[in-house]
Amino acid sequence: SQKIEQNSEALNIQEGKTATLTCNYTNYSPAYLQWYRQDPGRGPVFLLLIRENEKEKRKERLKVTFDTTLKQSLFHITASQPADSATYLCALGGSGGYQKVTFGTGTKLQVIP
Amino acid sequence: EAQVTQNPRYLITVTGKKLTVTCSQNMNHEYMSWYRQDPGLGLRQIYYSMNVEVTDKGDVPEGYKVSRKEKRNFPLILESPSPNQTSLYFCASSPTQGAGELFFGEGSRLTVL
Repeated sequence: SQKIEQNSEALNIQEGKTATLTCNYTNYSPAYLQWYRQDPGRGPVFLLLIRENEKEKRKERLKVTFDTTLKQSLFHITASQPADSATYLCALGGSGGYQKVTFGTGTKLQVIP
Repeated sequence: EAQVTQNPRYLITVTGKKLTVTCSQNMNHEYMSWYRQDPGLGLRQIYYSMNVEVTDKGDVPEGYKVSRKEKRNFPLILESPSPNQTSLYFCASSPTQGAGELFFGEGSRLTVL
């Protein structure tokens, strides 16, 4: 069956360090992958999109990698700050229809001052 | 301000009483979608719409209806709500038919007694 796995346990890191979040998937052939940030009680906010033919994407302190062979995406936040504390969702798109987007359950990140 | 607006934000209702959750976007987006978010299950797509009068089922469409008569509006209809539809609902829109960022509303927390 299709599955998107993100660390269900919270990730705690020290301020200033690099946070690395993982998104693994099985039985999907996504055309693209997205990362979103969600704060408690709020709607998700788009961060980055990476397509299947791209290995890496960067935006300011954020970096995403996408390995379709390993079926894995890594999401990095460098020089993390307490304001980066939130739940981060990965979403796969284009598998079973280009417009279909399926979300993982998210990983909660806590940056400790 | 560009936004996706959902109403109501909070609603408590009883089993079987028809209700509609409205969603409106002011960004002239073609693509709109409804998700429900439940603990441990993440965001699951209910229905989506590629354009006016074009709708399709997502992963969990049972018990829901949608319509897309105007580009800006995409209401979610629960004809006969049941307790298992108690959830946090999000509407989202995108400027592209799929591989673009999703703009989410603030969410509608629905409780069915």
